[in-house]
Amino acid sequence: SQELEQSPQSLIVQEGKNLTINCTSSKTLYGLYWYKQKYGEGLIFLMMLQKGGEEKSHEKITAKLDEKKQQSSLHITASQPSHAGIYLCGARHSGGYQKVTFGTGTKLQVIP
Amino acid sequence: DAGVTQSPTHLIKTRGQQVTLRCSPKSGHDTVSWYQQALGQGPQFIFQYYEEEERQRGNFPDRFSGHQFPNYSSELNVNALLLGDSALYLCASSPTGGATGELFFGEGSRLTVL
Repeated sequence: SQELEQSPQSLIVQEGKNLTINCTSSKTLYGLYWYKQKYGEGLIFLMMLQKGGEEKSHEKITAKLDEKKQQSSLHITASQPSHAGIYLCGARHSGGYQKVTFGTGTKLQVIP
Repeated sequence: DAGVTQSPTHLIKTRGQQVTLRCSPKSGHDTVSWYQQALGQGPQFIFQYYEEEERQRGNFPDRFSGHQFPNYSSELNVNALLLGDSALYLCASSPTGGATGELFFGEGSRLTVL
């Protein structure tokens, strides 16, 4: 979706290295989601951010929401082969129960 | 606590046929959304069901229809299948009418149209 841009589109990192994935929205954000997907499988929920400046962590993954810039970043510390997969950001551009729009994803490979 | 479950996991159809995909939401969730994910793309919103009614719809033709049952489970029906309908179909569920923002996905149903 052009409403949501992810960068980079793909990333290859050495095991143990840190990395950052960015998600930029062209519209006001009411909620920002991060999911991980293995090829051909369902989406695994990582985190949901709703307030400007909000930051959440899950194991070695941290996500932040910059509401003013309409951006979110996902940072992985000391990457492991288990982190490999496709990372998708999704956004609500209206309040309440409105649909979630997704970016095209960032494919992450971690080389041992 | 079972998460979102979908069936079947894989299926193959030919052009012009019809298909029905099924979804059981996570326990405690009452809202079901369906998404289509083509290869290499992000999921695209098809529609959302709440209280057995379609509440929102994405940019999909009328060949795509759905239903929600009193137990909150849902079906996605696609008529007159086209080659371009080949995709992973994902079901997602939310609690409290979707108001809390939580959205959990199933493993998907992989549809191949020949």
